[in-house]
Amino acid sequence: EADIYQTPRYLVIGTGKKITLECSQTMGHDKMYWYQQDPGMELHLIHYSYGVNSTEKGDLSSESTVSRIRTEHFPLTLESARPSHTSQYLCASSVQNYGYTFGSGTRLTVV
Amino acid sequence: RKEVEQDPGPFNVPEGATVAFNCTYSNSASQSFFWYRQDCRKEPKLLMSVYSSGNEDGRFTAQLNRASQYISLLIRDSKLSDSATYLCVVISGAGSYQLTFGKGTKLSVIP
Repeated sequence: EADIYQTPRYLVIGTGKKITLECSQTMGHDKMYWYQQDPGMELHLIHYSYGVNSTEKGDLSSESTVSRIRTEHFPLTLESARPSHTSQYLCASSVQNYGYTFGSGTRLTVV
Repeated sequence: RKEVEQDPGPFNVPEGATVAFNCTYSNSASQSFFWYRQDCRKEPKLLMSVYSSGNEDGRFTAQLNRASQYISLLIRDSKLSDSATYLCVVISGAGSYQLTFGKGTKLSVIP
């Protein structure tokens, strides 16, 4: 049973729409992350948070934004989706010096 | 030099073969090391942590060489189900929470 949940699993949406990708975890982890991964390519860190009200941009520039109002919830928002945003988005959480637990991902297609 | 480097492969091996992957890291202060497995179009999943003394889990053996700054993963008696991409992961610095992922090594086990 997954301890970190992402919804929706798949999303096809038109250009210009605002979208929010949801990520929730029940493990009480302080640290949460968003990665972007194209098929067959490496993971790119786009956002991370070390706790409530803490958010930072990752290594890969992204037009998305995140918020962390509650420990268990770390949503990612795109104000105006574009075809270049088509990708898989993976959420993860961790505790210090231990590995990540990933959610199942959201596969986003912008048409 | 990239922080974490892996041979992307692909490694095509017959069932029953033994295969080994290496991964080099550039930050000598790196503290924690992991191997993750990622199946096609799925999220990465923790395969095993890598300890200084080396560790074994069934057919899988992981080793760390701090002097040469690399970790290795050995898979014995390869199964078809071992086909996946194997990601080398490093946490750099004490108290650090952010993992650095290698690009992954693709393994295909052939009947």
